[in-house]
Amino acid sequence: DSGVTQTPKHLITATGQRVTLRCSPRSGDLSVYWYQQSLDQGLQFLIQYYNGEERAKGNILERFSAQQFPDLHSELNLSSLELGDSALYFCASSVGSWDEQFFGPGTRLTVL
Amino acid sequence: GQQVMQIPQYQHVQEGEDFTTYCNSSTTLSNIQWYKQRPGGHPVFLIQLVKSGEVKKQKRLTFQFGEAKKNSSLHITATQTTDVGTYFCAGRRNSGNTPLVFGKGTRLSVIA
Repeated sequence: DSGVTQTPKHLITATGQRVTLRCSPRSGDLSVYWYQQSLDQGLQFLIQYYNGEERAKGNILERFSAQQFPDLHSELNLSSLELGDSALYFCASSVGSWDEQFFGPGTRLTVL
Repeated sequence: GQQVMQIPQYQHVQEGEDFTTYCNSSTTLSNIQWYKQRPGGHPVFLIQLVKSGEVKKQKRLTFQFGEAKKNSSLHITATQTTDVGTYFCAGRRNSGNTPLVFGKGTRLSVIA
């Protein structure tokens, strides 16, 4: 158990819909990262927050947005969903910025 | 942009054989991290290498960072069935808050 929690574990939805993925970092970690992992693909970095502020942005689509709240939990919002958005979405956290990352169990999103 | 290439993509070995995965970057890295993801699991941090030519060992695992800080390798001696999984390298450029870029991973299968 990494100490990072993600909900829900599975999500099945239809094209055009909007979903919210939730992540609680390890106690004491200030950075939260979101990654997308498609079948047979590596981990695609989406976005990083550090202590409530956006720090780095990766290949995140305009239909996707995220935020980190004062209690440091984070949410990833995916809207106007397409079939190609089906993937595993991981949240990770670290104490500082870009040091050892602890990954949550992931949310498996299926868009039908 | 920065790219991190990993080879091979897949490797099947007999239990007891050695295994090596290689990671190459198109740019000089400030550091490189290695993660392992078991089937159905989430990535787990293994190690971080920072210095040019650095070699670190963890039991049967040996990690190396190239002299030019553009490549790295992970070598497992006498593989066991518990080594099964996908091994990812991830590197960062040494400029600002650039994100960690993950390779696509090497999937290791161990035949008992």
